[in-house]
Amino acid sequence: AQSVTQLGSHVSVSEGALVLLRCNYSSSVPPYLFWYVQYPNQGLQLLLKYTTGATLVKGINGFEAEFKKSETSFHLTKPSAHMSDAAEYFCAVSDLLGGATNKLIFGTGTLLAVQP
Amino acid sequence: KAGVTQTPRYLIKTRGQQVTLSCSPISGHRSVSWYQQTPGQGLQFLFEYFSETQRNKGNFPGRFSGRQFSNSRSEMNVSTLELGDSALYLCASSSTPTGAGQLNTEAFFGQGTRLTVV
Repeated sequence: AQSVTQLGSHVSVSEGALVLLRCNYSSSVPPYLFWYVQYPNQGLQLLLKYTTGATLVKGINGFEAEFKKSETSFHLTKPSAHMSDAAEYFCAVSDLLGGATNKLIFGTGTLLAVQP
Repeated sequence: KAGVTQTPRYLIKTRGQQVTLSCSPISGHRSVSWYQQTPGQGLQFLFEYFSETQRNKGNFPGRFSGRQFSNSRSEMNVSTLELGDSALYLCASSSTPTGAGQLNTEAFFGQGTRLTVV
């Protein structure tokens, strides 16, 4: 089975500080990993994804994530937080054990607060 | 091009009623997935349709059903509503299903339908 675990349901940072949101995965096959962001009363927007190739993935809005197989991690980072980054962030893995499917398995989410 | 459109955005229903939610995927996309989002259970996969066929189904009771039309638009139906069905229902559109070894296709999400059961 595949799963993701997000450590920390709430993270608070100061504006301009480093953002680090943690995600660990469990997968018996090479995973496809994603980070999504959700603003209040909105759907999910893809920040970045890892499928194969370069392990450091750059996404939108200055976010990036590094796939570390040895640590089964895919943590999301941003060097300098902006007020507009306040949102909920979800890590997800493709359910590649389910055959040809776009099913995503999501973590429980991390709510990021940015303090002025 | 237009994104994923879900209608209606908000719904209030009474216990025991049924409800139908609609999702129009991005033009050219043939795969539609549905998710339920609640504070307690988070984001849970309901089902996925591709070319009018259900490809995958999550662990939900039979009261939850869906279908996809030839134009790729999808509907999901919940019968005999319960209070616990109150949730944000999200639809995701993709061009093709993804499988191991295949090029991943991105899922684009709609804004969701907020269902409140009273």
